Amino acid sequence: DTAVSQTPKYLVTQMGNDKSIKCEQNLGHDTMYWYKQDSKKFLKIMFSYNNKELIINETVPNRFSPKSPDKAHLNLHINSLELGDSAVYFCASREQGALTEAFFGQGTRLTVV
Amino acid sequence: DAKTTQPPSMDCAEGRAANLPCNHSTISGNEYVYWYRQIHSQGPQYIIHGLKNNETNEMASLIITEDRKSSTLILPHATLRDTAVYYCIVWRVNYGGSQGNLIFGKGTKLSVKP
Repeated sequence: DTAVSQTPKYLVTQMGNDKSIKCEQNLGHDTMYWYKQDSKKFLKIMFSYNNKELIINETVPNRFSPKSPDKAHLNLHINSLELGDSAVYFCASREQGALTEAFFGQGTRLTVV
Repeated sequence: DAKTTQPPSMDCAEGRAANLPCNHSTISGNEYVYWYRQIHSQGPQYIIHGLKNNETNEMASLIITEDRKSSTLILPHATLRDTAVYYCIVWRVNYGGSQGNLIFGKGTKLSVKP
């Protein structure tokens, strides 16, 4: 079974639309993250969630909002999509505590046209 | 911002050891050195981590200098499937749980050639 799964894998949409990317982890982890990887391949953290509380927001536009219906899910909602939002988005999870590794999903390639 | 410096690219012959350097001269006492890699079109994958002692697992070895200002990731027998971008990350860990996030730099693009 896939530890961290994201859907969809590919998403093509028009400017101005609202879209969501889903993330689920079956590892029992209590911390989840969203990362954005742009065309220059830089991986930048967007959000982290711990026990359903947003604990870090790294200057991401408020058009992006993470939503966690339960500990196993952290979905990413994006409103009013812009061309610059085109990127690969990665979800990750880890167990809270020292020395634990983060597990990443396979990514969602978002293309805004 | 990433607190590490890595060469942008390296080549390695298949079957030979790949030695990937990382400079982290500003590392503090409670920061660990983590290595991840990203194979093309996949999510990052954990490789190994260490504090000050050398570490080895089934994937790689990690050599950390005594002053902790630099480290080297060693893939003992590189294969074509090891071609990837390798990220060296320093991560602050506090008692009772980790703090901060995995901050990725630009990494080293390792190309393993036949």
